[in-house]
Amino acid sequence: GAVVSQHPSWVICKSGTSVKIECRSLDFQATTMFWYRQFPKQSLMLMATSNEGSKATYEQGVEKDKFLINHASLTLSTLTVTSAHPEDSSFYICSAPAQLPWGEQYFGPGTRLTVT
Amino acid sequence: GIQVEQSPPDLILQEGANSTLRCNFSDSVNNLQWFHQNPWGQLINLFYIPSGTKQNGRLSATTVATERYSLLYISSSQTTDSGVYFCAVVNRDDKIIFGKGTRLHILP
Repeated sequence: GAVVSQHPSWVICKSGTSVKIECRSLDFQATTMFWYRQFPKQSLMLMATSNEGSKATYEQGVEKDKFLINHASLTLSTLTVTSAHPEDSSFYICSAPAQLPWGEQYFGPGTRLTVT
Repeated sequence: GIQVEQSPPDLILQEGANSTLRCNFSDSVNNLQWFHQNPWGQLINLFYIPSGTKQNGRLSATTVATERYSLLYISSSQTTDSGVYFCAVVNRDDKIIFGKGTRLHILP
C-alpha cells in the first residue's frame, strides 16, 4: 500500500513559539492531503484540506491564521502551529488519498505536540 | 451533517473470541474505510469498502450502502488486536467524517 510519513514524531515547544509539521507521500503523488487533530481518547477531527498549488480549505472553527498550511509540492504538505498555546497540545495526523476523488486514504504515523 | 455512529463503544473479550463491530451512517456516502489505531497512534488501513464484502485473514467487513451500515468481523481474537477501531466515511461534500471508535481489549 501507499506510504505517508510525518516529521517530527513528537515535539515539545514553549508557549508562543511556532512548530512546523511535515507530511510526505513517499511513493505516490498527492494533490490533496488532509490534516486532523486527535485529543486523548477521542476520535479524529478533520481540520483542513491541503491543496497543491492553492489555498487550504479549513473546517468550521479552525483558525486559519493559527494553523498555517502549505502544500509546496505533489508530495509535501506542512502544518505550522503559530504562537502555540498549551491547549494546542494534541496528536496531529495527516492523510492522503491514493486516488481522487474518493480513493482509499493513507495516514501518516502522527505527530504528538506538547506545548509547555 | 452526516452522523457516523459506532457500536459498541467498548468491548472486552477473551483471546480466541469472535466479535462484530458496527458502523451506522445517516446519509449516503462516497467511501467507507475501517481502521485500527494501534497504541502508538498509527492508523492501520483494514478495509476500503464502500459496498460489498471483503476478507483479509481473520478480519472481514461488509457494507450495505442501501441500509447505511457496515460491519467489521474479527475472528479468533489475539491480544495484538487490541486498540481502537474507527469507521470513516466520505460524505457528499467530500469531507471525511470519523466515528467515535470502538475500543477493543483482548485479554490473554
